[in-house]
Amino acid sequence: DGGITQSPKYLFRKEGQNVTLSCEQNLNHDAMYWYRQDPGQGLRLIYYSQIVNDFQKGDIAEGYSVSREKKESFPLTVTSAQKNPTAFYLCASSIPAGLSGNTIYFGEGSWLTVV
Amino acid sequence: GESVGLHLPTLSVQEGDNSIINCAYSNSASDYFIWYKQESGKGPQFIIDIRSNMDKRQGQRVTVLLNKTVKHLSLQIAATQPGDSAVYFCAENMGGGADGLTFGKGTHLIIQP
Repeated sequence: DGGITQSPKYLFRKEGQNVTLSCEQNLNHDAMYWYRQDPGQGLRLIYYSQIVNDFQKGDIAEGYSVSREKKESFPLTVTSAQKNPTAFYLCASSIPAGLSGNTIYFGEGSWLTVV
Repeated sequence: GESVGLHLPTLSVQEGDNSIINCAYSNSASDYFIWYKQESGKGPQFIIDIRSNMDKRQGQRVTVLLNKTVKHLSLQIAATQPGDSAVYFCAENMGGGADGLTFGKGTHLIIQP
C-alpha cells in the first residue's frame, strides 16, 4: 500500500538522550515535513525538505535535526537540547513543494515521552 | 501568530443532523485551503480542498465554502454519523509557500446519539 510510515509509534526518552523518529514514504513525493502537535494545539512546523540533500528550518527547529539522504526517508532526531520534547510528532509529504495546491499527506504519528 | 483560526473549539451535534465547522484566515494571499480530520491518536486525514478561484466545492457528505470577502472558510458535514467524531483542522497555503501549510488549532466535533 502507498503511504507514509512512521516508527516507532511510542518512544520514551531519558533526560540527556538523543532519539530518532523514522519516516518513510513510498508516494514518490519530493517534499517532506515534520510537525509537532501538543495536546489541544495545532500543528507546528519543525523542518521541511523540498528535495534530497536539502532541508530548511521551520518555526520551531531548535533542539531538532533532520537529514534527507534519500527521497523516501526523512528522519527526525530530537536532541538533548530540546527542553520540552514530549509531544505527538507527525511526518508528512507532498508532491513538488513551492506550488500552491499541493495537498500534504500525513503519517500516523509518533508519541514521544520524556521519562 | 497564526493566520488560521477556528471560531469554536468544540461543537456538539445530534447524530443525523448537519454540522458546520468554521474557520477564519487573515492572509489575503492564501490561495489554497484544506480541511483535515484527525481522530484521537492518529495523523490528520485529508477531507476536501478548495482553491481561491472557487467559492464552493462538494465531496461525499461534505461541502467546503470559501468567502474571500470576509476571509472565512467553512466545512459542512451532512447527516453526521458517530464516525465523524474527531478534531477538524483547516489549513491554508499562502501563495505556493514551500514550507507547506499553516494550520488552525482545530474544532472537536462531538456526535451525540
